[in-house]
Amino acid sequence: EIVLTQSPGTLSLSPGERATLSCRASQSLDSSYLAWYQHKPGQAPRLLIYGASTRATGIPDRFSGSGSGTDFTLTISRLEPEDFAVYYCQQYSASPLYSFGQGTKLEIK
Amino acid sequence: QVQLVQSGAEVKKPGSSVKVSCKASGGAFNTYTLVWVRQAPGQGLEWMGRIMPMFRAVDYAQKFQGRVTITADESTSTAYMGLSSLSYEDTAVYYCARVQNSWYFDLWGRGTLVTVSS
Repeated sequence: EIVLTQSPGTLSLSPGERATLSCRASQSLDSSYLAWYQHKPGQAPRLLIYGASTRATGIPDRFSGSGSGTDFTLTISRLEPEDFAVYYCQQYSASPLYSFGQGTKLEIK
Repeated sequence: QVQLVQSGAEVKKPGSSVKVSCKASGGAFNTYTLVWVRQAPGQGLEWMGRIMPMFRAVDYAQKFQGRVTITADESTSTAYMGLSSLSYEDTAVYYCARVQNSWYFDLWGRGTLVTVSS
């Protein structure tokens, strides 16, 4: 069973700063089946990145994804006030079919 | 523009069952794959199951096997998630989402709050 571990649990930064979020898989992911979502309270999660590095439609280019195998990173180059939220990575594999990391809360410092 | 419209909030007693709906407006429903994901208070996102109406195929997360039933009515473009033997730990917001390319979730419903309370 593949387990995703995100770090840090909470990241405190100021607008304008760079955010780096990590997601580590317990086993190598085939074809980079790794996605990232942004989730704000009271809203539906929003797809940001899929295929480890492809931005979803309408996602600003300050969001970027990288990595392969077991180590993946979501980078927000210059934080905007609306970027403060919880971020989840998600994987697709045989077992379990889908799973999420436990999330990283990005909060205003 | 395709949207997933979910049913309203529910309050249920422990031991009872709940059925949440997710109606797709627009698009070719029978070609969709849909998943159900929940978020309990203070917790992260948790995948519950998947349905592929075109293939009449359903998969469930092991944690929910035997307690969850996911169905789809192509005539109304609606998917359903039923959860039985509810406990307080099932209090959560339940989301449906469309699966793209078999593996990532590109369109989400707004969520349905299910509260289990005596």
